[in-house]
Amino acid sequence: DAGVIQSPRHEVTEMGQEVTLRCKPISGHNSLFWYRQTMMRGLELLIYFNNNVPIDDSGMPEDRFSAKMPNASFSTLKIQPSEPRDSAVYFCASSHFYEQYFGPGTRLTVT
Amino acid sequence: GNSVTQMEGPVTLSEEAFLTINCTYTATGYPSLFWYVQYPGEGLQLLLKATKADDKGSNKGFEATYRKETTSFHLEKGSVQVSDSAVYFCALSDSMDSSYKLIFGSGTRLLVRP
Repeated sequence: DAGVIQSPRHEVTEMGQEVTLRCKPISGHNSLFWYRQTMMRGLELLIYFNNNVPIDDSGMPEDRFSAKMPNASFSTLKIQPSEPRDSAVYFCASSHFYEQYFGPGTRLTVT
Repeated sequence: GNSVTQMEGPVTLSEEAFLTINCTYTATGYPSLFWYVQYPGEGLQLLLKATKADDKGSNKGFEATYRKETTSFHLEKGSVQVSDSAVYFCALSDSMDSSYKLIFGSGTRLLVRP
């Protein structure tokens, strides 16, 4: 298995632009998690899905952030409009029960 | 609520030294406990786990024992290598919570000098 796949690996964009991060979970995993990691705030859980259904989005910082999981093999995290304080590494993880497997992350820089 | 507390880092050791990274937890129910490792520029990787009291998880020379009486899950390694330099995260899940969400500690950075 290729593991959790995230794209792009790096994204540089200007403030105000829309950013879409993509994730392909491991086949057969029924839970998917989006995290954000920064030096200041550490690792934060943004939202998670069970069987493609959003369960808890209380970690999403603002309405500018949205996430979807249209099917079991694909999820997106969208930021619109982006701001410099959104600069971070965004991780997607999938799991079957409790063992989470993380993707390599997308490093987002908003200038 | 559930929480995980890890020792502050960075922890700096010389190669072949003994490592202990402390982790304590607060939880309702019967949590499973995990250690994850994050190497520079990579995502977190599961290092080891324990699912019930007195279980010992082990992998790559690392060990941790699930101590319910002290609510602890300390990570140990007898002889560290430079390649062990990374950030280590303790985490718990609660079998009472059907979401399979993990609660992570803040992470402890380990630096191993040659």
